[in-house]
Amino acid sequence: AQRVTQPEKLLSVFKGAPVELKCNYSYSGSPELFWYVQYSRQRLQLLLRHISRESIKGFTADLNKGETSFHLKKPFAQEEDSAMYYCALSAGLTDSWGKLQFGAGTQVVVTP
Amino acid sequence: DTGVSQNPRHKITKRGQNVTFRCDPISEHNRLYWYRQTLGQGPEFLTYFQNEAQLEKSRLLSDRFSAERPKGSFSTLEIQRTEQGDSAMYLCASSDPGQGEKLFFGSGTQLSVL
Repeated sequence: AQRVTQPEKLLSVFKGAPVELKCNYSYSGSPELFWYVQYSRQRLQLLLRHISRESIKGFTADLNKGETSFHLKKPFAQEEDSAMYYCALSAGLTDSWGKLQFGAGTQVVVTP
Repeated sequence: DTGVSQNPRHKITKRGQNVTFRCDPISEHNRLYWYRQTLGQGPEFLTYFQNEAQLEKSRLLSDRFSAERPKGSFSTLEIQRTEQGDSAMYLCASSDPGQGEKLFFGSGTQLSVL
């Protein structure tokens, strides 16, 4: 069965400090992993996906298949990074990649 | 195009009543998804369409839930004989496989069953 675990419900960091959001998953195949973000009063939106290997708004995430993790990192947090972050997994099949298993989310609060 | 549109934004109903929500996806997006989100949890997949065909339904979706996308454009989600446990945010998302694995979410419909 697919499962996505985000162990931290709340992460409070100071502006300029590094931030790391943990995400662990369980899946028997080769999943695709995503990070979605929801800023206050805005819609849920894609932040980044592992297959793209891109950096968005200074965030990066590396898929570690050995540890079944997909942690999200940013070296210097900004106040505008305050948001709810969701890790999500897809089976990666063409027909069902949009069928996502979400974690429970981590609320990030960046204080000045 | 202003993105995925959902109506109504809020719905309050009494237990046992039927409710229907509407989702208008981004035009030309051929895939449309319904998710449900309860407090403190991430969105949970309910069902999805490719054009007008409903390709998958979650096993968690009871028979009281039905979704349609009759012309491959907008979709409706109906809940019959609502229960208090149906109270949640219902999210719609659309995608175009040609644009990669990216879901565009609507603002959701918040359902409260009294």
